[in-house]
Amino acid sequence: SQQGEEDPQALSIQEGENATMNCSYKTSINNLQWYRQNSGRGLVHLILIRSNEREKHSGRLRVTLDTSKKSSSLLITASRAADTASYFCASPAGANSKLTFGKGITLSVRP
Amino acid sequence: NAGVMQNPRHLVRRRGQEARLRCSPMKGHSHVYWYRQLPEEGLKFMVYLQKENIIDESGMPKERFSAEFPKEGPSILRIQQVVRGDSAAYFCASSPRGLGEPQHFGDGTRLSIL
Repeated sequence: SQQGEEDPQALSIQEGENATMNCSYKTSINNLQWYRQNSGRGLVHLILIRSNEREKHSGRLRVTLDTSKKSSSLLITASRAADTASYFCASPAGANSKLTFGKGITLSVRP
Repeated sequence: NAGVMQNPRHLVRRRGQEARLRCSPMKGHSHVYWYRQLPEEGLKFMVYLQKENIIDESGMPKERFSAEFPKEGPSILRIQQVVRGDSAAYFCASSPRGLGEPQHFGDGTRLSIL
């Protein structure tokens, strides 16, 4: 079953603008992770937020977590053309650490 | 420190043949995960292995698919008697402790079935 669902499915912005991507999940989580995938490449881990955290920053990335709404958001500030990629949220499922992914958000940043 | 290495990057097989996909985890990582990705889709979990043991294979099709992670050498995902529907990108990921920490992914093997 699909744990994370990202929104919107596709996002197109101008370089320099901020990009906000949302993720909703169904069951309780220990942590939620965001990954980036460039075309033809594997996933790269961006940031992890634990269930007892509400906000976390890493460079131009800001992640929030609302466990009452079972949702998370990823904000990329001052976007660059190099940020063009697909973004996925995922959380470890069950007793094992397998990740359950959503379908992802395709972000296009126009130069 | 080399990342997760997968080979081959591209694999073409005819229906009925066998496909073997290899994955060498990052140095020091003993937990390996295999995922499958169809076009425009997210990754779907297949199997989770720790050295010489299958921990969770709940995402593996019951027939034709098998995986191993021997004491020495890479992890292998094996697909027997491939069919067109097996065409996909197969990704391997590794982690050091398997406790829900971030996973490190290879660049995948793109399997095409003729």
